Amino acid sequence: LAKTTQPISMDSYEGQEVNITCSHNNIATNDYITWYQQFPSQGPRFIIQGYKTKVTNEVASLFIPADRKSSTLSLPRVSLSDTAVYYCLVGEVMIKAAGNKLTFGGGTRVLVKP
Amino acid sequence: EAQVTQNPRYLITVTGKKLTVTCSQNMNHEYMSWYRQDPGLGLRQIYYSMNVEVTDKGDVPEGYKVSRKEKRNFPLILESPSPNQTSLYFCASRSSLGARNTEAFFGQGTRLTVV
Repeated sequence: LAKTTQPISMDSYEGQEVNITCSHNNIATNDYITWYQQFPSQGPRFIIQGYKTKVTNEVASLFIPADRKSSTLSLPRVSLSDTAVYYCLVGEVMIKAAGNKLTFGGGTRVLVKP
Repeated sequence: EAQVTQNPRYLITVTGKKLTVTCSQNMNHEYMSWYRQDPGLGLRQIYYSMNVEVTDKGDVPEGYKVSRKEKRNFPLILESPSPNQTSLYFCASRSSLGARNTEAFFGQGTRLTVV
């Protein structure tokens, strides 16, 4: 499984766009990039997943450059309730060989201020 | 509603007293896992199951047991809890099929304190 590196923390203000970049230099051809959100004392929640280019859903956008060695999660117009830890995961979709593990790194602690 | 349900949410117990944390999912998922989360150590996988009667160790299996007799249930058993097992525990499930199978569903968590 590819190792990921993301900033430890980021501060933002309500209404701003937050962009969190994750580095995954050793990403493999079969790997997908997945982002999770976790609020204090709650289980992680799936946000978005992508393979290349751009993916957008009702919560966020995920930008993946052509070389796929990094990805950027974009949260538009954040509110106080977006304060959470955001995890970037990289792993093979057909994960039988990988043993079913989702490897969570340290995550990025995002604090949204009024 | 698709969900993973853990019980109990909070538990305080004494060293050596066997306990079981239950986990149930209603999505017919093949894969289920248990994680523990500790400050500074992040989420670490304890055990996982690929399907009924198929389980294997994760990164930190010592002191834990699991079973998978039915597809929907994946209980975590602590035969003789010790204080170093005080932690926040999460059960998760996900499908083995489709392009979105890195989408795991997590339970609400069980905060266990062993005194």
